[in-house]
Amino acid sequence: QLQLQESGPRLVQPSETLSLTCTVSGGSISSTSYYWGWIRQPPGKGLEWIGSVYYSGSTYHNPSLKSRVTISVDTSENHFSLKLSSVTAADTAVYYCVRSVAALLDHWGQGTLVTVSS
Amino acid sequence: DIQMTQSPSSLSASVGDRVTITCQASQDISNYLNWYQQKPGKAPKLLIYDASNLEIGVPSRFSGSGSGTDFSFTISALQPEDVATYYCQQYDNLPIALTFGGGTKVEIK
Repeated sequence: QLQLQESGPRLVQPSETLSLTCTVSGGSISSTSYYWGWIRQPPGKGLEWIGSVYYSGSTYHNPSLKSRVTISVDTSENHFSLKLSSVTAADTAVYYCVRSVAALLDHWGQGTLVTVSS
Repeated sequence: DIQMTQSPSSLSASVGDRVTITCQASQDISNYLNWYQQKPGKAPKLLIYDASNLEIGVPSRFSGSGSGTDFSFTISALQPEDVATYYCQQYDNLPIALTFGGGTKVEIK
């Protein structure tokens, strides 16, 4: 059964770079059928798509975050990663990694709360 | 960018009631519309895809309809386990982008 697990620092200093990794188990990240992405949810608020990556490395980003976002994939480690630069308190959120099939988000990680604070 | 307007933002209904949530797109999105259920403290779960198709394993009391700019999501007979926040989500192909509605919190009266 496919599982996605987020990992990375839970506390990030303002102006620093948030870094998360999503490890995929029970399936191959190199499948040509899927995209892999990141969704975030500030406490008590709604969902926001951050971006997605294909196994080939092609990426797509939310225009509102594009200049700060880097999403990469490591097929040898079967994981993909998110980097969000110049963070502020507004970037405090639960970050989910997801698998998508033609933009259907059919598998989600459990989510990890990342707090931006000094 | 396509905007999604979801309403109501919250509702309270009795067990067994029919509940309907709407989602309006700012431009024609064909049937590129999905619905998710998020229970407190949990990740969202896909319920309906391509506007009206029920994801495998999802109870048949959940349904979706619509195309173009106007969509609806219905719970035919609300159950206690349906307490959750529901989100619509659209996607563009050129370029690839995903947008969520603001969410509807469903509670039991």
